[in-house]
Amino acid sequence: QQQVKQSPQSLIVQKGGISIINCAYENTAFDYFPWYQQFPGKGPALLIAIRPDVSEKKEGRFTISFNKSAKQFSLHIMDSQPGDSATYFCAARTVDRGSTLGRLYFGRGTQLTVWP
Amino acid sequence: DTAVSQTPKYLVTQMGNDKSIKCEQNLGHDTMYWYKQDSKKFLKIMFSYNNKELIINETVPNRFSPKSPDKAHLNLHINSLELGDSAVYFCASSQDRGIDEQYFGPGTRLTVT
Repeated sequence: QQQVKQSPQSLIVQKGGISIINCAYENTAFDYFPWYQQFPGKGPALLIAIRPDVSEKKEGRFTISFNKSAKQFSLHIMDSQPGDSATYFCAARTVDRGSTLGRLYFGRGTQLTVWP
Repeated sequence: DTAVSQTPKYLVTQMGNDKSIKCEQNLGHDTMYWYKQDSKKFLKIMFSYNNKELIINETVPNRFSPKSPDKAHLNLHINSLELGDSAVYFCASSQDRGIDEQYFGPGTRLTVT
């Protein structure tokens, strides 16, 4: 079962525009919501992350908006650049009570293309 | 300085063969993972080790066997390879039993013909 639902599957944005990727979850045990960025031929890398006690986190051109009651969070990329073209994954983490091990569940990814 | 490294980068083999992928991290992390990324880029965890102990073992075929000789290494051995095993396999590591950020390796693209 898909624990984290991500949309859209692909996104094309013009340079300078705003890219918005949305994710939704059901499991209220999730306590940490990272976004990973993956370039072709590379492994995913942490871009920005948020905890559910805040509604927004901004780092440069990247902002996470978090709506706890709606169980939704989104990534906004302001002033999108061709270099931002990559696959973006949202994720959510639980901590297993038995093992106390953190475990990430990933969305299916969004392929972002920014046209110059 | 490579944080999480994997070898080989590419692996092409025939059905029925046995192959291994190696992973090493030099970050001093205590937790390591194997993920599988399918052709649609879906990332799914396969295994997780903490201090050489298997913690997460997802419903993967018994043909997949991870081995952690020490905290810094986690290898993946696959027996009797099948066409459906073709994917990109990522190793990752994190500190503090996975509470912290996960660092991914560059991936191993496995193609079974």
